[in-house]
Amino acid sequence: KAGVTQTPRYLIKTRGQQVTLSCSPISGHRSVSWYQQTPGQGLQFLFEYFSETQRNKGNFPGRFSGRQFSNSRSEMNVSTLELGDSALYLCASSSGTSGTYGNEQFFGPGTRLTVL
Amino acid sequence: AQTVTQSQPEMSVQEAETVTLSCTYDTSESDYYLFWYKQPPSRQMILVIRQEAYKQQNATENRFSVNFQKAAKSFSLKISDSQLGDAAMYFCAYRSALAGGTSYGKLTFGQGTILTVHP
Repeated sequence: KAGVTQTPRYLIKTRGQQVTLSCSPISGHRSVSWYQQTPGQGLQFLFEYFSETQRNKGNFPGRFSGRQFSNSRSEMNVSTLELGDSALYLCASSSGTSGTYGNEQFFGPGTRLTVL
Repeated sequence: AQTVTQSQPEMSVQEAETVTLSCTYDTSESDYYLFWYKQPPSRQMILVIRQEAYKQQNATENRFSVNFQKAAKSFSLKISDSQLGDAAMYFCAYRSALAGGTSYGKLTFGQGTILTVHP
């Protein structure tokens, strides 16, 4: 099976712009979670989608949004970019079902976003 | 809310030796999962080992094993016969086993421990 893919791998934007990141989960996985990784705050949960529905959301401002399509691919959008949004954005997929292996998350390589 | 603490920002080990990385967590839940992830310089997060809280037996995966102390809320990772390829940032992570609400899809991570392996 192919792993989790994320595009693009690198992005450079300026303050005030918006950005869209994409994540394709492992085939058959219906859950996609997004995380932000920064040196200062570490890894923080953004949100989780399952079957096109957002089931959980972390403590981030409304500028961070996401969606999931019927093929389970997910996108996250950040509007009105700020310097502090510079980070590695990771997505992870899982089957989304209960039980140990349903909870296991497989990560993509990440998108490195730099805001100038 | 759950928290995960890794008190060792950096650790080092000689090749072929054994090293233990520490992790403590705080939760009021009785059923949950604990994980150790490895993040090498490529930044790809890789699952190393998992532990179900309801299992008393410590998980092992080849050279990797854990010491899970539920009452103490401690979850350490032991790497035996360390190899150069083990050099990475290691993250301890918690996930609730409860269904619903703020549990869905959320891993809570520690701050990470950078492991250096010396030849």
